[in-house]
Amino acid sequence: GQQVMQIPQYQHVQEGEDFTTYCNSSTTLSNIQWYKQRPGGHPVFLIQLVKSGEVKKQKRLTFQFGEAKKNSSLHITATQTTDVGTYFCADRDGQAGTALIFGKGTTLSVSS
Amino acid sequence: KAGVTQTPRYLIKTRGQQVTLSCSPISGHRSVSWYQQTPGQGLQFLFEYFSETQRNKGNFPGRFSGRQFSNSRSEMNVSTLELGDSALYLCASSLRPGPNEKLFFGSGTQLSVL
Repeated sequence: GQQVMQIPQYQHVQEGEDFTTYCNSSTTLSNIQWYKQRPGGHPVFLIQLVKSGEVKKQKRLTFQFGEAKKNSSLHITATQTTDVGTYFCADRDGQAGTALIFGKGTTLSVSS
Repeated sequence: KAGVTQTPRYLIKTRGQQVTLSCSPISGHRSVSWYQQTPGQGLQFLFEYFSETQRNKGNFPGRFSGRQFSNSRSEMNVSTLELGDSALYLCASSLRPGPNEKLFFGSGTQLSVL
């Protein structure tokens, strides 16, 4: 079935370092949504990418959608302790309509 | 505007029992979907409701069921609980179903099956 793979599973950085998480699929992604879940919290929508090669920025966060629409990435510049959490990418399930298929997530920890 | 409200926040049950979880979507949101979150499997889609109709169902056994009421509130039920059903159950709402709709999640119900 449709799968969305995310790497790395865990990442620890020093505050001020950059961080990148990658989302890959063997099939073409319809669109990609990114969510952040703080420890003990619930997923919160960050952004959606729809077009091939699309790049969107939110302050220190940069989201990219691959040209072939088979991968996406989230890059955080100069991490802060507030960036701690798990970042999920999700794609629409082609067979189940509007259901989201989530990657397993990348858990980011930041030490000051 | 109030967010997605899920009750109860925590629940402890024993094997074989059944449980009902409740979700009130954001006012005006008519689509509700449910996800199960576990450390091993991550976030997995359970089902989606719109206008009191189940639109989609994930790959879960028939013990998992749900419904949506005319006010868009939703409930999910798990019968004959198993240890493996221990998880965080998340409800999410959106204005309507659609590929470009973003989901607003509730805080979830943490279910522990003993």
